[in-house]
Amino acid sequence: EAQVTQNPRYLITVTGKKLTVTCSQNMNHEYMSWYRQDPGLGLRQIYYSMNVEVTDKGDVPEGYKVSRKEKRNFPLILESPSPNQTSLYFCASSPSTGERGYGYTFGSGTRLTVV
Amino acid sequence: SQELEQSPQSLIVQEGKNLTINCTSSKTLYGLYWYKQKYGEGLIFLMMLQKGGEEKSHEKITAKLDEKKQQSSLHITASQPSHAGIYLCGAVPGAGSYQLTFGKGTKLSVIP
Repeated sequence: EAQVTQNPRYLITVTGKKLTVTCSQNMNHEYMSWYRQDPGLGLRQIYYSMNVEVTDKGDVPEGYKVSRKEKRNFPLILESPSPNQTSLYFCASSPSTGERGYGYTFGSGTRLTVV
Repeated sequence: SQELEQSPQSLIVQEGKNLTINCTSSKTLYGLYWYKQKYGEGLIFLMMLQKGGEEKSHEKITAKLDEKKQQSSLHITASQPSHAGIYLCGAVPGAGSYQLTFGKGTKLSVIP
């Protein structure tokens, strides 16, 4: 089944403890992206990647890191999480320009709580 | 980045009623996407519009993009409880861009 898989689905952690949220897609998509969703603010893009080893900042990149060493994986790293990073996180992927009529595929989300 | 304004923010309708959700941009859009989200869950792709005046339908949901490509509407006919959720419009600003930005969403409740 074609999908974007995020892990974990739920995570509670303490301030300052490094964590990684994994994202993997099995559709050979070039483009991958991370979003956070907060009440009243909607979905905001954190980072995106056009292809392997090509990443760029979205609208809210502070406090986050990403890497794209393989086409299928795009992990989100929080080096020193803080309570304001408590949010619902989504990973998404998309094929190349000519095929974007099929939409961006989203993972099921990771609910992160930082205490 | 591009800003998308959705209206209304929330909507409560009786089952069987029709409804419309709007999405407006201050800039011309390259592609306009509609997604549905159940609370706390992932986004489900509904449809994408790209050409001015384009209209697409899927089951009882119809989406339109105006000729200027700055406004889109999502219309649900004869709403059902299964239509309840958050509807999000997203857009990419240009052909070479992959950056999909979203409106804040419209929360739809359907009362049986």
